[in-house]
Amino acid sequence: QSVLTQPPSVSGAPGQRVTISCTGSSSNIGARFDVHWYQQLPGTAPKLLIYHYNNRPSGVPDRFSGSKSGASASLAITGLQSEDEADYYCQSYDSSLSGWVFGGGTKLTVL
Amino acid sequence: QVHLQQSGPGLVKPSQTLSLTCAISGDSVSSNTAAWNWIRQSPSRGLEWLGRTYYRSKWYNGYAVSVKSRININPDTSKNQFSLQLSSVTPEDTAVYYCTRDHDDFNAFDIWGQGTMVTVSS
Repeated sequence: QSVLTQPPSVSGAPGQRVTISCTGSSSNIGARFDVHWYQQLPGTAPKLLIYHYNNRPSGVPDRFSGSKSGASASLAITGLQSEDEADYYCQSYDSSLSGWVFGGGTKLTVL
Repeated sequence: QVHLQQSGPGLVKPSQTLSLTCAISGDSVSSNTAAWNWIRQSPSRGLEWLGRTYYRSKWYNGYAVSVKSRININPDTSKNQFSLQLSSVTPEDTAVYYCTRDHDDFNAFDIWGQGTMVTVSS
């Protein structure tokens, strides 16, 4: 059971918009600790996609964006492309555990 | 360009110590703006942060509560690398292990090693 809760799967057609939620608690996202998002393609290491809620590292398309409300965060992907098919993970810091925590991951399928 | 190269055995016997090394190129293990972490991933436990080492005028370590009694992460400044030692392993420690960088520009894990699949089995 992961500290941060994500839906196991989402799907969308090419060109559509999808969102992935990440629900935390008062000891992590609700405590205003940063939320980051990672993309993991099959057989590869996770890659930083979004940091500080809604900032993109160099090279990440602006089709990817993040937001936060209360103890939850969301990742939005617009203009879905087949290469977006991957697992997505949220991550934050948890003060009760004194460590960094991840969501259980969401598998995105592009129909 | 920063690159992390992992090395170490893929098979460890139960009760023994798992040892992995992460060689850094393009940055320094003694950097004042980075921390060096180990994270593992398994189907049962997902992504799990294990611990970190970093230098801020002196060396610091931080470990996850779940492995605190069994883990050591050590820097090696002469080789610009850092290592993971996890003792008394059980089959539940079977996972893909990643070394990562956490840089002050992001406060996120911005660079990852290639991953090492470690199986705990006799």
